[in-house]
Amino acid sequence: DGGITQSPKYLFRKEGQNVTLSCEQNLNHDAMYWYRQDPGQGLRLIYYSQIVNDFQKGDIAEGYSVSREKKESFPLTVTSAQKNPTAFYLCASGTGQGARSPFFGQGTRLTVV
Amino acid sequence: GESVGLHLPTLSVQEGDNSIINCAYSNSASDYFIWYKQESGKGPQFIIDIRSNMDKRQGQRVTVLLNKTVKHLSLQIAATQPGDSAVYFCAENSGGSNYKLTFGKGTLLTVNP
Repeated sequence: DGGITQSPKYLFRKEGQNVTLSCEQNLNHDAMYWYRQDPGQGLRLIYYSQIVNDFQKGDIAEGYSVSREKKESFPLTVTSAQKNPTAFYLCASGTGQGARSPFFGQGTRLTVV
Repeated sequence: GESVGLHLPTLSVQEGDNSIINCAYSNSASDYFIWYKQESGKGPQFIIDIRSNMDKRQGQRVTVLLNKTVKHLSLQIAATQPGDSAVYFCAENSGGSNYKLTFGKGTLLTVNP
């Protein structure tokens, strides 16, 4: 089945530790995105990538890093510099045609204690 | 005091009624709009989209209306069912080479049996 997979679904980390969230897609999409969602709020864009080996900062990139070494994979690292990392993280992929209707994964809920 | 952003607009309807969810968008240059449905703890799911050269588009039980004059988007759900209970987001894309979607804060729809 084609789709976009995020893992793990729940993740707990101690404050001050870096953590990497996985996102894999087998839809052959060029574009991939990372969004952050806080309770009762919309999605905010962290990073996006239009093509392999290229990515751009979104609206809230500080404290995050990404890589795009393969078309299928777009991992997100939440670093210790991110002041408020506890959130629901959503990965998406799309054809890259002006961000037309990207497909979303099921999300990773990160809790930092 | 009350925290900003923790309380979504809500709409409560009876099963079988029609629902109308509204969204005001911000960028007059936006040329593409999407409605997503998000159930608790899951990723957003595409419902319907519309391009700026249209003012109405219909899907299965859903209709999206676009009023560019007042920058307003609405989602109509016919014969609302309990399974329609979720948070609904609108998203806009300002087009061009910008691959970013901007999301609204969402509306919580509750369907009472």
